[in-house]
Amino acid sequence: NAGVTQTPKFQVLKTGQSMTLQCAQDMNHEYMSWYRQDPGMGLRLIHYSVGAGITDQGEVPNGYNVSRSTTEDFPLRLLSAAPSQTSVYFCASSGREEHEQFFGPGTRLTVL
Amino acid sequence: EDQVTQSPEALRLQEGESSSLNCSYTVSGLRGLFWYRQDPGKGPEFLFTLYSAGEEKEKERLKATLTKKESFLHITAPKPEDSATYLCAVQGTSGGSYIPTFGRGTSLIVHP
Repeated sequence: NAGVTQTPKFQVLKTGQSMTLQCAQDMNHEYMSWYRQDPGMGLRLIHYSVGAGITDQGEVPNGYNVSRSTTEDFPLRLLSAAPSQTSVYFCASSGREEHEQFFGPGTRLTVL
Repeated sequence: EDQVTQSPEALRLQEGESSSLNCSYTVSGLRGLFWYRQDPGKGPEFLFTLYSAGEEKEKERLKATLTKKESFLHITAPKPEDSATYLCAVQGTSGGSYIPTFGRGTSLIVHP
């Protein structure tokens, strides 16, 4: 099992550029989520999904889009990057019955 | 709304000096309380799930306990390799509560 994988590990964008952060899991988990982690702010939930075709907003959804076409994949799209989106992004997955989450290694994003 | 407060924000210990980290929480009904460990530059790693007051779980030098309002992570005779940020998260039973809410973490440094 690879667990939760994220690509890329590092990314630098210019203001206004768009990009997609990839997340995949091979544990057949129904729940998947995206967090951003900033110094002193802890993990803040951006979007989450409870199954293929179902997504919902978390605490800080503005500027981000998600979709869930398969159980395995949950990409996060930045439509027009802003410096305020400079952060470390983590993807996580969990099962329906046992809710402990498994996290990916993270993507460190810098927006200039 | 589920809320989690962790204290202290940072803790420095000498090797062998036992201590405890605190996680205070408010939820409408507790589905689970989770502890994670996060090393610098990596994603959080699951440690424990606690479900009801009075429950305890142990792993090596770590012991997690739970009351109706807080959880403690006791570290006995810590070693430098226990240095990390420890995160607490809670998941309530209210409708739509699919993803746990995280605290901001306690950064632990153990000096040799």
